[in-house]
Amino acid sequence: EDKVVQSPLSLVVHEGDTVTLNCSYEVTNFRSLLWYKQEKKAPTFLFMLTSSGIEKKSGRLSSILDKKELFSILNITATQTGDSAVYLCAGGSGNTPLVFGKGTRLSVIA
Amino acid sequence: GAGVSQSPRYKVAKRGQDVALRCDPISGHVSLFWYQQALGQGPEFLTYFQNEAQLDKSGLPSDRFFAERPEGSVSTLKIQRTQQEDSAVYLCASSPRQVAYEQYFGPGTRLTVT
Repeated sequence: EDKVVQSPLSLVVHEGDTVTLNCSYEVTNFRSLLWYKQEKKAPTFLFMLTSSGIEKKSGRLSSILDKKELFSILNITATQTGDSAVYLCAGGSGNTPLVFGKGTRLSVIA
Repeated sequence: GAGVSQSPRYKVAKRGQDVALRCDPISGHVSLFWYQQALGQGPEFLTYFQNEAQLDKSGLPSDRFFAERPEGSVSTLKIQRTQQEDSAVYLCASSPRQVAYEQYFGPGTRLTVT
């Protein structure tokens, strides 16, 4: 059975800290790994990763995929209170639905 | 800005009632997904459409759950004879291409069954 496991489940940091969120996956015929940010409403798309070792960046957020070790990390530098959210990781094969992890709840305190 | 929209945003149903949840995907998106998200959990897949064809309904928890997308755009998720364990947020997402590509989520419908 396909599964995605995220760690830690929750994290509390101070503004300005750098955080690393982890996602490991076991997805048959794996094709892509996606990261989403979920505040109170819908998950919003952050990154889609398909190739190993190529970092994707968007502002203070970056992510990389390791297809050999079957994991991805999401880094957030200089965290702000607005980064507080649940970060979801999902794996997909291209012909089956995405499998989501339970998420990491990040709380950034001033 | 035409994102994915869902209605109603909140629904309270008495146990045993039928409910219908609507999803309007992003225009032109061929793929549409329904997920169920319980408190503190990630979204769990329910069903998937490519245009009007329901290609996968393996995640529907029982035969009380039914989804349709008759014209390949708007979709409705129907739950018959609701039970308390159906209480959750129901998320709809659409994607421009295949299932593994980025999916854009609607705001969800929070269903509470009393």
